[in-house]
Amino acid sequence: EPEVTQTPSHQVTQMGQEVILRCVPISNHLYFYWYRQILGQKVEFLVSFYNNEISEKSEIFDDQFSVERPDGSNFTLKIRSTKLEDSAMYFCASTRVAGVADTQYFGPGTRLTVL
Amino acid sequence: GQQVMQIPQYQHVQEGEDFTTYCNSSTTLSNIQWYKQRPGGHPVFLIQLVKSGEVKKQKRLTFQFGEAKKNSSLHITATQTTDVGTYFCAGRGASGTYKYIFGTGTRLKVLA
Repeated sequence: EPEVTQTPSHQVTQMGQEVILRCVPISNHLYFYWYRQILGQKVEFLVSFYNNEISEKSEIFDDQFSVERPDGSNFTLKIRSTKLEDSAMYFCASTRVAGVADTQYFGPGTRLTVL
Repeated sequence: GQQVMQIPQYQHVQEGEDFTTYCNSSTTLSNIQWYKQRPGGHPVFLIQLVKSGEVKKQKRLTFQFGEAKKNSSLHITATQTTDVGTYFCAGRGASGTYKYIFGTGTRLKVLA
């Protein structure tokens, strides 16, 4: 069965450094999402992306965050200057369509640790 | 903004007992999805409910969407140790948004 993949599985960085988290969505999917989950807490929506532009973003997704689809397969989340509170699990998800027929497929996540 | 709460936060049951988690949204939803997340894992899609009052079953799991489309429930009959994990509902608002707001989750522990 096709799946969403994410790299790296774990990223450790110093506060203030830039990080790029990578995702490869399912190949025929058109809508892409980033979520984060602080340890032991709920899954929080960050941003959705369709047709090479951001569709929606949450209050968490400030100007320190950016997303890109640099080629036909990768979908990246960049955090420009990491803070301690950015430490969390980051999940990428994709759907084939948007609307009531969609099913979100989540990747295995990248655990980001900011020291 | 839209908030989605779940109760209970934690539930410990003996294997074979039933389990129910309830999901309540502050706003009317267009549809709701349910996910299971095993410890250390990622959310895995279980089901989607769209219609008011809809009930769907998957083996021992029964999902219900409220008449007002503001609440939902997941009921597991005769729990097994494989049911362990956190169950999240995720609701999409009815006002033209495509994003899902996840509930606070219910962590289920099944004691053998």
